[in-house]
Amino acid sequence: GENVEQHPSTLSVQEGDSAVIKCTYSDSASNYFPWYKQELGKRPQLIIDIRSNVGEKKDQRIAVTLNKTAKHFSLHITETQPEDSAVYFCAASRTPWNQGGKLIFGQGTELSVKP
Amino acid sequence: DVKVTQSSRYLVKRTGEKVFLECVQDMDHENMFWYRQDPGLGLRLIYFSYDVKMKEKGDIPEGYSVSREKKERFSLILESASTNQTSMYLCASSFRRVGSTGELFFGEGSRLTVL
Repeated sequence: GENVEQHPSTLSVQEGDSAVIKCTYSDSASNYFPWYKQELGKRPQLIIDIRSNVGEKKDQRIAVTLNKTAKHFSLHITETQPEDSAVYFCAASRTPWNQGGKLIFGQGTELSVKP
Repeated sequence: DVKVTQSSRYLVKRTGEKVFLECVQDMDHENMFWYRQDPGLGLRLIYFSYDVKMKEKGDIPEGYSVSREKKERFSLILESASTNQTSMYLCASSFRRVGSTGELFFGEGSRLTVL
């Protein structure tokens, strides 16, 4: 079945450094790739997403890149701040409005930003 | 502001008990989902629903059932709770309409402990 692998499971960086989280997916028909952030004790929330017709998308300090040929995508956070500390989940699905937007999530990465 | 409300934040049940987890959303979303969150395993889909009285199995449906009698409400049922169902349960909802973003809106979670 569909599968999304996410690495690393934990990541510790110094404030101001960059952080990179990588995901690979198995379903070649996937074309929607969101990233969710879950702060401690809170609900997951969408922070950025990318569709297969683009290779990169940026939103201030975060960016996502997509390599459809290799079936992997990555989240890049620059100039990390303590409030970036959270668990990050990648996910993949086919066209979001089809199949009910069924997302397959990765295992999660716990990012810790040390002041 | 989208609101997805789960009826119980914390539950403690005994093995063999029937457990109901309720979820209500107020954004007229067509899709509703139940995920289970366990450390190192990410978010795993239990069941989802595209419409009233409609349900589809996710990746780990064994031991669970669901009910969607009204558009805004999606219930997860554990017919006979077992200790391996101790987990955090997250409800989510999203639009199904063409052109929608596919963003999932999550509830705050229900932490279930089965003794």
